Amino acid sequence: NAGVTQTPKFQVLKTGQSMTLQCAQDMNHEYMSWYRQDPGMGLRLIHYSVGAGITDQGEVPNGYNVSRSTTEDFPLRLLSAAPSQTSVYFCASGYNEQFFGPGTRLTVL
Amino acid sequence: GESVGLHLPTLSVQEGDNSIINCAYSNSASDYFIWYKQESGKGPQFIIDIRSNMDKRQGQRVTVLLNKTVKHLSLQIAATQPGDSAVYFCAEAYAGNNRKLIWGLGTSLAVNP
Repeated sequence: NAGVTQTPKFQVLKTGQSMTLQCAQDMNHEYMSWYRQDPGMGLRLIHYSVGAGITDQGEVPNGYNVSRSTTEDFPLRLLSAAPSQTSVYFCASGYNEQFFGPGTRLTVL
Repeated sequence: GESVGLHLPTLSVQEGDNSIINCAYSNSASDYFIWYKQESGKGPQFIIDIRSNMDKRQGQRVTVLLNKTVKHLSLQIAATQPGDSAVYFCAEAYAGNNRKLIWGLGTSLAVNP
């Protein structure tokens, strides 16, 4: 039982590049979320999903896309990376008690 | 309390003492509250939760107190240990927000040996 896994752990992008952050969970949770965390701040919700095929925007969705084709996977796509997207990204699984992955540290130059 | 900007409020305690971390929440309609612990370089980890129909809930070495009158939440850690050093976040949720968690800015707890 791996819980929530995220890949990659670290990534450096140039402005304008695109990439996908992967997230997978093996707890059969319907509810999954993506957050970003910036220094000295709490977590801000980017997008979330209440089940396969259903996604919705969170607090800071601009510049990010998500899809949910299976219960297990919830990838986050950066369409055209910007320096303002430099952050640590966490995927979470679960409704109230959320289980978090280890995070992806993204730097956009 | 909570801070704005880059500097988290910091609580420094001696090993073995009790710690109290406070949180002011924003919405009087919130009916679910949760505390997370985040160690350096890791994702947040669930500690304890409480619903608005309760004012106190206890776990292993931790107690959460809820005061709805002043919209205040606290986390008490008994006999604080070095392994408790981390950033602690409170979060709230309410039905009108599709139950998305609203996170506080965090409090850093430093345990001195």
